Amino acid sequence: KAGVTQTPRYLIKTRGQQVTLSCSPISGHRSVSWYQQTPGQGLQFLFEYFSETQRNKGNFPGRFSGRQFSNSRSEMNVSTLELGDSALYLCASSFGQWGPQHFGDGTRLSIL
Amino acid sequence: AQTVTQSQPEMSVQEAETVTLSCTYDTSESDYYLFWYKQPPSRQMILVIRQEAYKQQNATENRFSVNFQKAAKSFSLKISDSQLGDAAMYFCAYRSAGTGNQFYFGTGTSLTVIP
Repeated sequence: KAGVTQTPRYLIKTRGQQVTLSCSPISGHRSVSWYQQTPGQGLQFLFEYFSETQRNKGNFPGRFSGRQFSNSRSEMNVSTLELGDSALYLCASSFGQWGPQHFGDGTRLSIL
Repeated sequence: AQTVTQSQPEMSVQEAETVTLSCTYDTSESDYYLFWYKQPPSRQMILVIRQEAYKQQNATENRFSVNFQKAAKSFSLKISDSQLGDAAMYFCAYRSAGTGNQFYFGTGTSLTVIP
């Protein structure tokens, strides 16, 4: 069974641009969560989608948004990029509401 | 809001020895799940062990076991017979069993295994 796939692996952007990250969950998993990981803040929850509906949202500005498609694939969008958005963005999927999460390798986003 | 605290930013252990990583959490809920995740230098997070709060028996997975103290809100991870491949960042995580059940992660403990 294929794991969680995140694309791209690395991304370099400049301030003010926008970016879209993609996550394909494990087949059969309907829940997808996104996290921002930085050395100083650790793992911070961004949002979670279940069956195309946003179920939870963390404490991030509206520049961070996401969506989930009918095949459970999810995208995360960040608009008007800031230097502080440089981070590893992790996606995780789970089968049910309380199942353990399976993580992808992440997308390393660098803002110049 | 729930918080998860890992008070040991770094730990080291001799190969074949035993090490315990600490985790405490704060919650007013009675039904929840606790997890330990491992993130090796290759960076993919891997589930190590999971504990349901309603279960009194401590979870074990081969060389990994937990000491779950619900009243004390403590959830420590014990690694026995440490191996070089155990070197990684370890994260403790909490998830409520109720609505709004997002994951809360600790800041992690970096484990070094000394040959």
